[in-house]
Amino acid sequence: DSGVTQTPKHLITATGQRVTLRCSPRSGDLSVYWYQQSLDQGLQFLIQYYNGEERAKGNILERFSAQQFPDLHSELNLSSLELGDSALYFCASSVGVRDEQYFGPGTRLTVT
Amino acid sequence: AQTVTQSQPEMSVQEAETVTLSCTYDTSESDYYLFWYKQPPSRQMILVIRQEAYKQQNATENRFSVNFQKAAKSFSLKISDSQLGDAAMYFCAYRSGGTGTASKLTFGTGTRLQVTL
Repeated sequence: DSGVTQTPKHLITATGQRVTLRCSPRSGDLSVYWYQQSLDQGLQFLIQYYNGEERAKGNILERFSAQQFPDLHSELNLSSLELGDSALYFCASSVGVRDEQYFGPGTRLTVT
Repeated sequence: AQTVTQSQPEMSVQEAETVTLSCTYDTSESDYYLFWYKQPPSRQMILVIRQEAYKQQNATENRFSVNFQKAAKSFSLKISDSQLGDAAMYFCAYRSGGTGTASKLTFGTGTRLQVTL
């Protein structure tokens, strides 16, 4: 158990819908990262927050957004869902921006 | 942009034997970190080992060790005394080291390791 929690574990929804994935980092970690793992794209970095501020963006679609709250938990919002958004979404956290990243168990999103 | 290449989609090793997984990377940076992550069937991403580019000594964690060849941009993982629990997908990953740079991980495509009796 890495200490990073993600909810829900599984999510099944229809095309066009909107979902919110939640992540609680390890105690003391200020940085949160979101990654997407899909069969065709592999593991890709989406976005990073550090102490509530957006720090870096990767290949994140405009339909996706994220934020980190004052209690340091983070949410990833996915809207206008398409079949291709079906993937495993990981949250990772680290103490600072140069420290090891520890991954949560992931949220499996299935879009039907 | 940095790239990470794992050219072995699948590997197989017998229990108690040694196996080496390959990884090459491309970067123009001098300060960076390299990692191996393990993803078992549970899908959890588990950090196996890390290597700082400025360190010449190869990292070791119990049965896991790396062969870091900076000039060749090669970073292989050796698993000694393989156990059934080592069966998993293994990902090589790169991260920039500079304070002003992004700390995202860039992953390779993974190597699926099978461990047989």
